[in-house]
Amino acid sequence: NAGVTQTPKFQVLKTGQSMTLQCAQDMNHNSMYWYRQDPGMGLRLIYYSASEGTTDKGEVPNGYNVSRLNKREFSLRLESAAPSQTSVYFCASSEVAVPDTQYFGPGTRLTVL
Amino acid sequence: AQTVTQSQPEMSVQEAETVTLSCTYDTSESNYYLFWYKQPPSRQMILVIRQEAYKQQNATENRFSVNFQKAAKSFSLKISDSQLGDTAMYFCAFMNLYNFNKFYFGSGTKLNVKP
Repeated sequence: NAGVTQTPKFQVLKTGQSMTLQCAQDMNHNSMYWYRQDPGMGLRLIYYSASEGTTDKGEVPNGYNVSRLNKREFSLRLESAAPSQTSVYFCASSEVAVPDTQYFGPGTRLTVL
Repeated sequence: AQTVTQSQPEMSVQEAETVTLSCTYDTSESNYYLFWYKQPPSRQMILVIRQEAYKQQNATENRFSVNFQKAAKSFSLKISDSQLGDTAMYFCAFMNLYNFNKFYFGSGTKLNVKP
């Protein structure tokens, strides 16, 4: 039981490049989330998926797209990376049968030059 | 929108002593959950404790306890018998019971436990 896994752990991009961050969970959770963490600002929600086949915007969705590929996997795509997207990205999952807590992955440190 | 404020960017405590981390929040909702998460240098977020707003009794988990003051919108975390392994960033978080897909996090408090 690995919990929530994320790949890659580190990535450096040049401005304008694209990439996809991968996230998978093996806890059979319905809901999945993408956050970014910037110094002094805590975590901010980018997108979430309440269930397979649905996605919704969070606080800071601009510049990102997501795909809920199946119940296990939720990917985050940067189509044209900008230096302002330099951050640490966390994926999380939770069970929403009742309000519950979120389980986080180890994070991806992304630098955009 | 909900806001969560942690006014202590960094704190230090001696091993075996007690420390309290502060958190305040702003909401017009009456039903919600509050959380404290720990983020060690490994960066993975770990749930420390959870409090349901409808419960008057403060939550406790071993050495961790909270002081939940609903009227004051305050939610502090007390760590007793601090251990070196408690060194981490601590985040306070809010979740609205009617929109529980959205968590709101504070900016964090860095706790250093000194030997």
